[in-house]
Amino acid sequence: DVKVTQSSRYLVKRTGEKVFLECVQDMDHENMFWYRQDPGLGLRLIYFSYDVKMKEKGDIPEGYSVSREKKERFSLILESASTNQTSMYLCAAGTESYEQYFGPGTRLTVT
Amino acid sequence: DQQVKQNSPSLSVQEGRISILNCDYTNSMFDYFLWYKKYPAEGPTFLISISSIKDKNEDGRFTVFLNKSAKHLSLHIVPSQPGDSAVYFCAASGGGSNYKLTFGKGTLLTVNP
Repeated sequence: DVKVTQSSRYLVKRTGEKVFLECVQDMDHENMFWYRQDPGLGLRLIYFSYDVKMKEKGDIPEGYSVSREKKERFSLILESASTNQTSMYLCAAGTESYEQYFGPGTRLTVT
Repeated sequence: DQQVKQNSPSLSVQEGRISILNCDYTNSMFDYFLWYKKYPAEGPTFLISISSIKDKNEDGRFTVFLNKSAKHLSLHIVPSQPGDSAVYFCAASGGGSNYKLTFGKGTLLTVNP
């Protein structure tokens, strides 16, 4: 089974801070994704990557950037955190089977 | 515009009975459909999937049905167990080299003992 780990389960940051969320997968999957989950809104795609150094915007990329320097690692960056970025952040890895395997999530609170 | 819709925010069933979760989609380019289960404070876990060339896929207690003409799919859980209580997300992919998933908003299933 694919194991996807995220650097923190819970994180509290202040408005304006730069925030790094790290995601690592251990199964050599090409595709990696970042979502946020909010009550009543489901999972919304922020950014994704199909290869090292490659990144594509998802449905809600504003206020976020990503980095993929190694195949197993996909980082989500909040350049200047705002309160409306308080959310559950979920990282996923997947292959050509379309199935995605999710990490446990990071509950980020921006105060 | 919401391309994957789960119109029931919640569903409550008795243990041992059938749970039926529904999902509708609007994008006719969707080619592959998946169901995920999510417990609080955990990431979603993959349950079952179906390709658009099929109308049914079964895995143990879980069966997914696809009606392409109606752009509708459903997940049946038989028999339902209290441990099935979770939020269920329907997701769709465009197929081919498009590996992005579009998720519905989820349905909270509660199975009562």
